[in-house]
Amino acid sequence: KQEVTQIPAALSVPEGENLVLNCSFTDSAIYNLQWFRQDPGKGLTSLLLIQSSQREQTSGRLNASLDKSSGRSTLYIAASQPGDSATYLCAVQGGSEKLVFGKGTKLTVNP
Amino acid sequence: DTGVSQDPRHKITKRGQNVTFRCDPISEHNRLYWYRQTLGQGPEFLTYFQNEAQLEKSRLLSDRFSAERPKGSFSTLEIQRTEQGDSAMYLCASTQLGLVLKETQYFGPGTRLLVL
Repeated sequence: KQEVTQIPAALSVPEGENLVLNCSFTDSAIYNLQWFRQDPGKGLTSLLLIQSSQREQTSGRLNASLDKSSGRSTLYIAASQPGDSATYLCAVQGGSEKLVFGKGTKLTVNP
Repeated sequence: DTGVSQDPRHKITKRGQNVTFRCDPISEHNRLYWYRQTLGQGPEFLTYFQNEAQLEKSRLLSDRFSAERPKGSFSTLEIQRTEQGDSAMYLCASTQLGLVLKETQYFGPGTRLLVL
């Protein structure tokens, strides 16, 4: 059974810092890994999707890496802003269509 | 806006009542998913449809839960005889079946259910 763990559970940083969120998964037989953002009481917004054959994806200030063999992914956020404050969720998709999510990292960026 | 929409956004009900939620996916998407999210947890998969066919159901989907997608467009999720443990955010997502690669799932705003 696939299990996804995200560390840390919560993170508070001052504006402008670069930061890294971590995600690990137990079964390396995945098709892709996705990072989502969730604002309080809202749905999920897709940030980045990395196919299993890829090592990383970039979008603006976000960079996600994937090391499938070790079961790890990181989300790097450069020059953090207060508007980045949200919960960041990591999810993997295997042979089934379902996404398996971690519990998320709650990020607070202080002005 | 042509994103995934869900209705209602909030629902308060008494234990034992039935509730029904609706999801309208992005129009050209043929796959539709339901997830449930409780406080402090990530979403958990419930079921998914390809067109009108329900292809996978989680063990979380007890016999009190039923989902339909009658014409391959919108979907409904019904919970019968609600229990307090059903209180959660119910999220719907949709995607287009990729020819080669699995595509990202686009999520709606969710329906927050509170069972008193």
